[in-house]
Amino acid sequence: LAKTTQPISMDSYEGQEVNITCSHNNIATNDYITWYQQFPSQGPRFIIQGYKTKVTNEVASLFIPADRKSSTLSLPRVSLSDTAVYYCLVGDGGATNKLIFGTGTLLAVQP
Amino acid sequence: DVKVTQSSRYLVKRTGEKVFLECVQDMDHENMFWYRQDPGLGLRLIYFSYDVKMKEKGDIPEGYSVSREKKERFSLILESASTNQTSMYLCASSLTQDGAGNTIYFGEGSWLTVV
Repeated sequence: LAKTTQPISMDSYEGQEVNITCSHNNIATNDYITWYQQFPSQGPRFIIQGYKTKVTNEVASLFIPADRKSSTLSLPRVSLSDTAVYYCLVGDGGATNKLIFGTGTLLAVQP
Repeated sequence: DVKVTQSSRYLVKRTGEKVFLECVQDMDHENMFWYRQDPGLGLRLIYFSYDVKMKEKGDIPEGYSVSREKKERFSLILESASTNQTSMYLCASSLTQDGAGNTIYFGEGSWLTVV
């Protein structure tokens, strides 16, 4: 089962682009990479998912290099409301898939 | 929208009590999960279930059991609550999609305090 490693915390200012990198050296061929966002006292919610290269949606971009041993979540022009914990998760979506989260990255956005 | 509903948002129980945390999802998902979350420790998987009456242990199953009698419902049971089980408990569900990644849907969490 692929284990993920992320920085414990990051600081940023409003309007900046933030990049959070996740390492997953043991990612399997069938695994996808998914990122979640969690606000205090709430359950995590899906942000973005990808398999390789680059994926973009209305919230974020996800960059995955060719070896897929890491991934980078990019948040453009963050605001105070982006202050949250961000988790990356790898898995293949199959049955009996035990989904293990790491400790996540606490992003603190300051004015 | 997928909805995962946890029956109790806040509970206070006494040491030694039996505690039931109920979770219901409305999207016919095969997989359901129970996590606990403590400061600085992220989300830790207690148990998961990939089908009715099927269950597998996560990373921290000790002191917990689960029940999945119906596809939409997954219960977490603390047979004899202890103070070190004071935590936020999160239920989640996902669809089995071989080779298509995972999108997990979480409930709002249940804050359990054991005194």
